[in-house]
Amino acid sequence: AQSVTQLGSHVSVSEGALVLLRCNYSSSVPPYLFWYVQYPNQGLQLLLKYTSAATLVKGINGFEAEFKKSETSFHLTKPSAHMSDAAEYFCAVSVKGRRALTFGSGTRLQVQP
Amino acid sequence: EAGVTQSPTHLIKTRGQQATLRCSPISGHTSVYWYQQALGLGLQFLLWYDEGEERNRGNFPPRFSGRQFPNYSSELNVNALELEDSALYLCASSLGLASPEVSQYFGPGTRLTVL
Repeated sequence: AQSVTQLGSHVSVSEGALVLLRCNYSSSVPPYLFWYVQYPNQGLQLLLKYTSAATLVKGINGFEAEFKKSETSFHLTKPSAHMSDAAEYFCAVSVKGRRALTFGSGTRLQVQP
Repeated sequence: EAGVTQSPTHLIKTRGQQATLRCSPISGHTSVYWYQQALGLGLQFLLWYDEGEERNRGNFPPRFSGRQFPNYSSELNVNALELEDSALYLCASSLGLASPEVSQYFGPGTRLTVL
């Protein structure tokens, strides 16, 4: 079985500051890893994914994430936060052949002016 | 290109009733997934359909069921509704089982309230 742990249910940064959202996974087989963003009263939007190609993955809206197998991590970063980045972010894992996503508990990002 | 659509947006039912939620996938996608997002429980996988067949099921009781139609749209049925079924139900779609592309794209959800 797979699992995801997101450290920090709430993260607050200043506009223009670095965004770092943490995700650690557990999987007995090579994982597929995803980051999604959810704005209030909306569905999930895919930010980026790792599926065993390049370990540094670039996504939409300036976000990127690095797959580190030795640390079982897939942290999400953005060099400079915008007010529009305020939302809830979910890390998710699946494995080949089993498409069901296992989600972390989410991190709510607040961006201060 | 149209995204995943879900209907209705909101649904209010009473305990013991049945709810039917509908989902239309992105054109060209043959896989449909259902997830429940309940307060305090997070996002949990419910069901996966591909080419009309149920491929995988999450840890939910049998009163949660669904089907996929020949046009790849899908229905989620919840029988004998309980208060704890109140949640946002999210549908997602992706390319089919044979594709190496596994990204799932989500709809806006149906908010089910059980009174």
